Amino acid sequence: GAVVSQHPSRVICKSGTSVKIECRSLDFQATTMFWYRQFPKQSLMLMATSNEGSKATYEQGVEKDKFLINHASLTLSTLTVTSAHPEDSSFYICSAPMSGRLQETQYFGPGTRLLVL
Amino acid sequence: EDQVTQSPEALRLQEGESSSLNCSYTVSGLRGLFWYRQDPGKGPEFLFTLYSAGEEKEKERLKATLTKKESFLHITAPKPEDSATYLCAVQERISGGYNKLIFGAGTRLAVHP
Repeated sequence: GAVVSQHPSRVICKSGTSVKIECRSLDFQATTMFWYRQFPKQSLMLMATSNEGSKATYEQGVEKDKFLINHASLTLSTLTVTSAHPEDSSFYICSAPMSGRLQETQYFGPGTRLLVL
Repeated sequence: EDQVTQSPEALRLQEGESSSLNCSYTVSGLRGLFWYRQDPGKGPEFLFTLYSAGEEKEKERLKATLTKKESFLHITAPKPEDSATYLCAVQERISGGYNKLIFGAGTRLAVHP
């Protein structure tokens, strides 16, 4: 079964509005979560690392004031796309690492399709 | 700079025709190499993590292997339901905490009946 959930699965909004996407780890705690963006037929590009209790770490070229990240609890991180524009239309995916006795695995959410008109 | 290169970019197979996907990487210290499967419009689905050269893991028709410079994903007797994009990602060994994954561009696999 799914170990990471995202909500909503798809959203359509008007240019200039803000959109919030939630990422939840199910049945495990995640002090760190990752947010990716994926354009059609391209691979995943890391946007930022979400840290519970501290500021997010953004990758080079990602505007922190435009993509607000809040890691509110050990199971929830949110990504808010502020003043969205058509070029922000993309597939946004989060992931959360889960450590077992022998290995660490990063599990991905189902993704959120954002379309900005 | 860490790099991950996957080949081929796209692969078309007949059902039952075995093949291999390649993932070559450059990283200063490998913490782990991950394989994921991604279906259109969905998030990546975890397949394997490999940690050291010589390691092998299997799951149904898939087998992943790792050397010091590359990893292979072998698909034995594929079925149409194996059609997907297969993503490879590496994680660099850095002290403390969870470390980001660096993804390759993926291999789009199409298996035809």
